[in-house]
Order: sequence, then C-alpha cells, then structure tokens
Amino acid sequence: QPVLTQSSSASASLGSSVKLTCTLSSGHSSYIIAWHQQQPGKAPRYLMKLEGSGSYNKGSGVPDRFSGSSSGADRYLTISNLQSEDEADYYCETWDSNTQVFGGGTKLTVL
Amino acid sequence: QVQLQESGPGLVKPSQTLSLTCTVSGGSISSGSYYWSWIRQPAGKGLEWIGRIYTSGSTNYNPSLKSRVTISVDTSKNQFSLKLSSVTAADTAVYYCARGVEAAIDYWGQGTLVTVSS
Repeated sequence: QPVLTQSSSASASLGSSVKLTCTLSSGHSSYIIAWHQQQPGKAPRYLMKLEGSGSYNKGSGVPDRFSGSSSGADRYLTISNLQSEDEADYYCETWDSNTQVFGGGTKLTVL
Repeated sequence: QVQLQESGPGLVKPSQTLSLTCTVSGGSISSGSYYWSWIRQPAGKGLEWIGRIYTSGSTNYNPSLKSRVTISVDTSKNQFSLKLSSVTAADTAVYYCARGVEAAIDYWGQGTLVTVSS
C-alpha cells in the first residue's frame, strides 16, 4: 500500500509564499493525492485533488492563493500571500482499491 | 451542499463497543460514485483512516483495525454507521465521517469526541 511522507513543520512570514511537500512511496509515484487543511480546533477541510501531471481541482470556496503542482513522486501545495488564518495543519491523502492513507501532516506556522 | 453530522455516545467503557452514526444531508447517500468513510484523530496526533463503505455495500478496512470494525449503511435513513468492538483507552479520539469520490475525500463532518474510560 502507498505511504505518504510529509515534513512535520514549516514556517513562513505573513504575506510571503510557502511550498509544502508530500512524497509518495516507491512504486506509487503516479497516484492522485488530496490536500486537506485543519485549522486549530476544527475539522479538516478539503483543499484540492492533485494528479501526477500537476493538474489540480480545488474544492468549493478555496482561495486562489492555494495551488498545487507535482514532480515525480512529490506533490506540492503552494500557499501565496500567506494570511494568519493559513496557520494550520496540512495533510495529504491518497487512495487505492483497498485502502486510504494519510500523511503525518505538516504544521504550518505563519510568522 | 453536502453536510455530514456524526452522532453517538461521547463516553464508552473499556471492552465495550463504540457505535457512531453519520447522517448525510444535501444529497442522497446512494447516488453517484461515492464512498463513505470513517477517520479518527487522537488528541494532538494525525489522521487515521478506519474504513469506508460504497453504496453497493462493499467495504474496506484499515488492516490494523479490521478485526474490530464494522461499517454499514442505511440508505432509507441516509446514514452510515461505525461499530468498533473491544475498545481500550487507545481508541479515545475525535471521530470524523466523510464522503469520498474519485480517490479523494471531499466533504468532512465536524467530528465527535469519543472517550474510552470506566
């Protein structure tokens, strides 16, 4: 089954950009993933589905500041013009016929 | 817009069975190529997938929980349910229900805290 690896933490300044990475395990580099945002004390929120081609499809109401891209087994979430409300945990997720898997999450701090 | 709402006891005794229900509104649980999932999150930790059910009734479970988990669907009530048997303190977590389509969860419930304690 696939495994997703994320850095445990990241930080960036208010108004700047940050790029979070989710890496698929060997043999699974073509998999589609999803990004989810979890603000403190809240339920996760679906941000986007991201293909290996770099094509992405965002959820309803997700700001234009959020975008996705891919390179090989790496899937990226880029947040531009960081706002204070972007301080949250970000999880990637993937799926196959038998299972669903989450990465360990990246805690983003907005400085 | 689809909405999901978890319900069930917030406190369960060790060795007993945890039972939760997710009520889906804003759409039929049996329409489209969706699957319906349960995910949990212990305090301060990451997300753990528990299992999912398709509208056909077929299920997939996390191998680490498979022996204790049952997910079922009641299309007449637009609900799906989770049963987790022989619970211990390690099962204390916020439990989320969610909808998935085409390899991604796209809607989440607000979550419900279940504490396992005597």
